[in-house]
Amino acid sequence: GIQVEQSPPDLILQEGANSTLRCNFSDSVNNLQWFHQNPWGQLINLFYIPSGTKQNGRLSATTVATERYSLLYISSSQTTDSGVYFCAVDPISSGSARQLTFGSGTQLTVLP
Amino acid sequence: GAGVSQTPSNKVTEKGKYVELRCDPISGHTALYWYRQSLGQGPEFLIYFQGTGAADDSGLPNDRFFAVRPEGSVSTLKIQRTERGDSAMYLCASSYDRGSEAFFGQGTRLTVV
Repeated sequence: GIQVEQSPPDLILQEGANSTLRCNFSDSVNNLQWFHQNPWGQLINLFYIPSGTKQNGRLSATTVATERYSLLYISSSQTTDSGVYFCAVDPISSGSARQLTFGSGTQLTVLP
Repeated sequence: GAGVSQTPSNKVTEKGKYVELRCDPISGHTALYWYRQSLGQGPEFLIYFQGTGAADDSGLPNDRFFAVRPEGSVSTLKIQRTERGDSAMYLCASSYDRGSEAFFGQGTRLTVV
């Protein structure tokens, strides 16, 4: 099946710093989502971005489907940004279910 | 409701017992998915419903796991003869249709002791 690799696995930032998280995938996809998992386990939707660039406040994301990667940018980070960031893809090969395949996540810690 | 709702939030059960986990999807969403997340990993697909039928159960680990969605809305994941290895976060997601943006519930953290 498709491989989804996220980097870096861990990231520690000082509050106010910027960061870029990367997601590489090994096959063509129908769509891609970015999530933030908070300390209680809830997956919060950040972006639904099969291609192109989107922005939402301090966050933005870019997916280059032809090169099989996506980037999540966090600017002016805040302590509340801490948590695990997941990239998830719906591979072309997933069949009728169109279920998501997740990467292993990036654990982000923002220090005050 | 406004979002996907899962109950209970936490469940502790003894090895060998039977458990049921409930998912109430976003109103109007026809596609419903169950995922399982072990510590330090991303969620993994278990089963997909389109309407009332289990369209794809290829992710269920064995026949102790079963899920239903009898009226095309609420779904229940059922685990028989629980084992310690079943301990994980169980997440439910719904989407308007298969392949459209998925929204997740807060999960049920299952601990088998």
